[in-house]
Amino acid sequence: KAGVTQTPRYLIKTRGQQVTLSCSPISGHRSVSWYQQTPGQGLQFLFEYFSETQRNKGNFPGRFSGRQFSNSRSEMNVSTLELGDSALYLCASSLAEGFRDEQFFGPGTRLTVL
Amino acid sequence: ELKVEQNPLFLSMQEGKNYTIYCNYSTTSDRLYWYRQDPGKSLESLFVLLSNGAVKQEGRLMASLDTKARLSTLHITAAVHDLSATYFCAVDIVTNAGKSTFGDGTTLTVKP
Repeated sequence: KAGVTQTPRYLIKTRGQQVTLSCSPISGHRSVSWYQQTPGQGLQFLFEYFSETQRNKGNFPGRFSGRQFSNSRSEMNVSTLELGDSALYLCASSLAEGFRDEQFFGPGTRLTVL
Repeated sequence: ELKVEQNPLFLSMQEGKNYTIYCNYSTTSDRLYWYRQDPGKSLESLFVLLSNGAVKQEGRLMASLDTKARLSTLHITAAVHDLSATYFCAVDIVTNAGKSTFGDGTTLTVKP
């Protein structure tokens, strides 16, 4: 069974640009969660999607947005990039049918903002 | 707001020694996870603990959960260099769909 995949793996952008990251969950998984990992703030929850609906959102500004498609693939978008957005962005998928199930993490996208 | 605290944050051990990493959380949880992360890599799931008194073991690592004390431990037995990594605990609450709250991580260095 293929694991969670994320593309691209590495990305370099400049301040003010926008970026879109993609996450393909494990086949059959309907929940996708996104996390930001930085040395200063640790692992922070961004948002979670289940069946194309955002069910939960962390404390991030509106520049961070996401969506989920009917095949459960998810994208997150960051607009007007800031230096502080440099981070490892991780997505995780799970079955999550009515309750949290074990989640599996993808390899991450390393975003560098210059 | 759910808070998860790990200690110690940094741990340097000699090979062959035993040690325990602690994970405290502030409210009732439904699941507790332990993850391993190697530098520059993603999170690898080690254990999922669901109920009070749960104990799971894999090789030199053993995790336990005391829901009454809101405490989980990750015990390392006879450490080897390959265990050097950062270990995270994370907590789920079923009413907070899709969100895991993570501790700050414990960076373990095992020295020969």
